[in-house]
Amino acid sequence: GENVEQHPSTLSVQEGDSAVIKCTYSDSASNYFPWYKQELGKRPQLIIDIRSNVGEKKDQRIAVTLNKTAKHFSLHITETQPEDSAVYFCAFGGSMFSGGYNKLIFGAGTRLAVHP
Amino acid sequence: GAVVSQHPSRVICKSGTSVKIECRSLDFQATTMFWYRQFPKQSLMLMATSNEGSKATYEQGVEKDKFLINHASLTLSTLTVTSAHPEDSSFYICSAQGKVRGRGADTQYFGPGTRLTVL
Repeated sequence: GENVEQHPSTLSVQEGDSAVIKCTYSDSASNYFPWYKQELGKRPQLIIDIRSNVGEKKDQRIAVTLNKTAKHFSLHITETQPEDSAVYFCAFGGSMFSGGYNKLIFGAGTRLAVHP
Repeated sequence: GAVVSQHPSRVICKSGTSVKIECRSLDFQATTMFWYRQFPKQSLMLMATSNEGSKATYEQGVEKDKFLINHASLTLSTLTVTSAHPEDSSFYICSAQGKVRGRGADTQYFGPGTRLTVL
């Protein structure tokens, strides 16, 4: 079935360092790869997404890269700040799964801790 | 733009009762809504997908008679947990998918979640 592996499960960095989270997905037909940030007890918030027609996308301190051949995509956060501390989920979608709807498959999450 | 509300945010009920959770897209039309369940420190597990005016599609292992979903309009979907039991206690989150200016139509926007506790 469809699945996505996300690594690492926990990540601890010092303020100002970079953080990288990697995901590997199973469905080569997928064409949409969003990343969500979830703070404790709150809703997941979309922080960046990428589609299969581009290899990299950047938004200020956040960037996402996509390697469709290897079925890998990664989230890069530079100059990390304590407020970046949260759980980050990768997801993939865009291929027509059962029922024909555009559902997302989520990774297990990465708990990022940024220490001052 | 792309605001999704969910009500109630928290509910405590007795075993055997039914609980209804509402999910609304406030400033856009949601062609599809999704219902997820999230256990502590775990990922989002998709329960079902619903489209306005049609029957929901449930994921494998999710009992459709236990978790009733109604998608009455392009801005409202409801999840009813019937005859709730303690093992149904969880964080339930909805998401809405629709065309929002500047974004793809397949982007999902999440509600704030409902914490259900069944005693």
